[in-house]
Amino acid sequence: AQRVTQPEKLLSVFKGAPVELKCNYSYSGSPELFWYVQYSRQRLQLLLRHISRESIKGFTADLNKGETSFHLKKPFAQEEDSAMYYCALLPGGYQKVTFGIGTKLQVIP
Amino acid sequence: DVKVTQSSRYLVKRTGEKVFLECVQDMDHENMFWYRQDPGLGLRLIYFSYDVKMKEKGDIPEGYSVSREKKERFSLILESASTNQTSMYLCASSPSGQGDSPLHFGNGTRLTVT
Repeated sequence: AQRVTQPEKLLSVFKGAPVELKCNYSYSGSPELFWYVQYSRQRLQLLLRHISRESIKGFTADLNKGETSFHLKKPFAQEEDSAMYYCALLPGGYQKVTFGIGTKLQVIP
Repeated sequence: DVKVTQSSRYLVKRTGEKVFLECVQDMDHENMFWYRQDPGLGLRLIYFSYDVKMKEKGDIPEGYSVSREKKERFSLILESASTNQTSMYLCASSPSGQGDSPLHFGNGTRLTVT
């Protein structure tokens, strides 16, 4: 069975500092990896997916199959980045998504 | 833009009551899901459905059932509510046949069982 691990429940950084939200996974096949974000009082929404190789709101994430990681990074944190971030895994050819426990990012002004 | 609508934002029920949580999506998605969201536990899958009248158990189905009579509607049923079912419930949908299609979530229903 697949598993997603987010080791930090809370990450506090100062505005302008770099951000790295960690995500490790276990899965024997080739998964699709996602980052979802939930801002205060808003619905959970997709931030980015590894297959797109895109940068959204300054965030990037690289899939490292050797380390089975999909860390989310941003070079300079902004106050509006404060939110709950979930890493998620979709097994190949299947639709059941597994989520991590989430990391709350707090950007201090 | 995909819209997933959950009928209630807040719900308060008594222990032992039968509770219905309703979810409707307007994008003709085949897949629909019910998750519960708890601090420190993340999102846990309760049930999901790939098609009308089709359902599969997720990771924590005990105490819940679901109904999918129409493609756009997916209902979560708590047969006899208990206090440990107090939680935020999230409905989501996604299209089938697209390996990397993301989930589209509703606003959630915060259920309190007293």
